[in-house]
Amino acid sequence: DAGVIQSPRHEVTEMGQEVTLRCKPISGHNSLFWYRQTMMRGLELLIYFNNNVPIDDSGMPEDRFSAKMPNASFSTLKIQPSEPRDSAVYFCASRMTIQAYPQETQYFGPGTRLLVL
Amino acid sequence: AQSVTQLDSQVPVFEEAPVELRCNYSSSVSVYLFWYVQYPNQGLQLLLKYLSGSTLVKGINGFEAEFNKSQTSFHLRKPSVHISDTAEYFCAVSPLSGGYQKVTFGIGTKLQVIP
Repeated sequence: DAGVIQSPRHEVTEMGQEVTLRCKPISGHNSLFWYRQTMMRGLELLIYFNNNVPIDDSGMPEDRFSAKMPNASFSTLKIQPSEPRDSAVYFCASRMTIQAYPQETQYFGPGTRLLVL
Repeated sequence: AQSVTQLDSQVPVFEEAPVELRCNYSSSVSVYLFWYVQYPNQGLQLLLKYLSGSTLVKGINGFEAEFNKSQTSFHLRKPSVHISDTAEYFCAVSPLSGGYQKVTFGIGTKLQVIP
């Protein structure tokens, strides 16, 4: 398996522009997570999907952020408009969630390094 | 709610020396515990996890961790480090039950192995 795939790997944009980050989870996984990593705040969960449905979006910073999962093999995280404080590394992770097996491992993608000027 | 404290932001250690990376957690419920490693420009990879049973957990790359419930700690150890262990290490917790078992990560500890 190719693992979790994220694109782009690097993104440089100007304040006010729309940014779209993409994620392809591991085939067969039914849970998907978006995280943001910064020096100051560490790794923060932004949103969690299970079976393509958003379950917990309490970590989404504000209305400028939105995430979708139209099918089991694709998810997007969009920032519109982007601001310099959004600069961070954004990770996507997937997991096979099975009730009978507690805490199956999350598999992380390589991340998208976003810089908003 | 859970929280994780990693007491050391950076740990320099000479090659072949032992290392311990400290992790303490707080939670009102019983938890699962994890250590992840992040190599430069890569995503996080699971090193080891404690779910139940023996409090000493062995992981990949010669790492092990010990769960101490009374001290709410889950310190990571390796008896002899290699240059290739240079990375950032994250301790994490999630509740045994309730909701979707959200994982909460610590701020990370950067391990620098000195030749």
